Order: sequence, then C-alpha cells, then structure tokens
Amino acid sequence: DAGVIQSPRHEVTEMGQEVTLRCKPISGHNSLFWYRQTMMRGLELLIYFNNNVPIDDSGMPEDRFSAKMPNASFSTLKIQPSEPRDSAVYFCASSLHTYEQYFGPGTRLTVT
Amino acid sequence: KQEVTQIPAALSVPEGENLVLNCSFTDSAIYNLQWFRQDPGKGLTSLLLIQSSQREQTSGRLNASLDKSSGRSTLYIAASQPGDSATYLCAAPKAAGNKLTFGGGTRVLVKP
Repeated sequence: DAGVIQSPRHEVTEMGQEVTLRCKPISGHNSLFWYRQTMMRGLELLIYFNNNVPIDDSGMPEDRFSAKMPNASFSTLKIQPSEPRDSAVYFCASSLHTYEQYFGPGTRLTVT
Repeated sequence: KQEVTQIPAALSVPEGENLVLNCSFTDSAIYNLQWFRQDPGKGLTSLLLIQSSQREQTSGRLNASLDKSSGRSTLYIAASQPGDSATYLCAAPKAAGNKLTFGGGTRVLVKP
C-alpha cells in the first residue's frame, strides 16, 4: 500500500497566484481530511469528506479556500488568490469509516 | 468545543529512561483517542488508537491509557532510545465521523 500521496511536496508561489494541492487517499478509505499546520496555530482541520461528500468545512479560513473530491481516489485543495499568511504545511489524511487516520507527507507552501 | 492539551511542551530524557507523555481533553464524550508521532519536516505517523470503550492499547514498547472520566490519556514509552526523539501528538474526535482536535504536541529528545 502506497499510503496517502500528496503533490506537490513543496510549492513556492507569489501572492495573488492560485495554488492547487492534490491528494490521493489510501485505496478503500472513505473519509478524507485536509489539515493545515503552522507554528502559531498547530494542526487545524480545514475540511473533511465522507464518501466524497463534504461533511464539515467550518475550518476553511476564507472563501479563498475551496476543496473538491470528484471521486474516491482524488481530492484538491485550492487557494485563490494566495496570501503570505497561507504559508504552512498542508496535510491530507484518510481513514476508513473515520477510525484511525493516516496522514500523507504534506505539502509545504510558501507564499511570498 | 473540545480542547486538547499536552503538557509539557518539551521533554528531554537520557536513553533508557521510560517516557510518560500526557494528554488531557475537556469533553469526555470522545469516540476514540489517537496518538501520533511527527518527525521534523515529516507527516504524522499513527502510533496507537484507543476506542472509547477501551482502557488501554499496547504496541511493542508503547502503551497508551485512556481515562474518559478524568479527561486524560497517557502514552508510555518504555526504555527510550534516541530514535524515539520526535514530537508526539494526541488527538480526539467527539463522535464517529467528527473532526480530530489535536493537542499542541510534546517534543521529546532522548539523549544518548
């Protein structure tokens, strides 16, 4: 099993640009979670999907953030337009029936 | 609102000593509690998951206990090794399918 796959691993972009982060969950898992980790705020859940349907997006900071899960094997987190305060490590995690969560390696985003 | 706290934030011990990591949570109506390990610049690795009906869970040198009534979980690592140096995080969802609330983590250094 390849585990949760995230791409890109590192992203550097300029303020105002659109950023798209990608995640492939573990095959067979039916829940997918997007988290953001910063030194100041620690790990925060942004949004999670169950069976491809968004269940709770209360953690999405602003309308600039959007997430989709078009099928069971792919999800995207988009930031448009990006701002320097969006710089963080973004993690994707998946689980089966929301039990034990398995995390991807993360995408380190730097917005200059 | 669930709040998860981990004290101390950092811990340094000599190799061979047993590690005791604490996690407290405010809402005892948790579905389970999960312990993770995070190495610098890496993602989270799930160590143990304790269901709300369980009192403890063991894996090798790791043992995690759960006391819902007091809102506490403890992770014990026996005979610590330098390779155990990492940040350890605990997290709890309030109910099945609900989002994980993370503690701030305890950064552990095991000195050879």
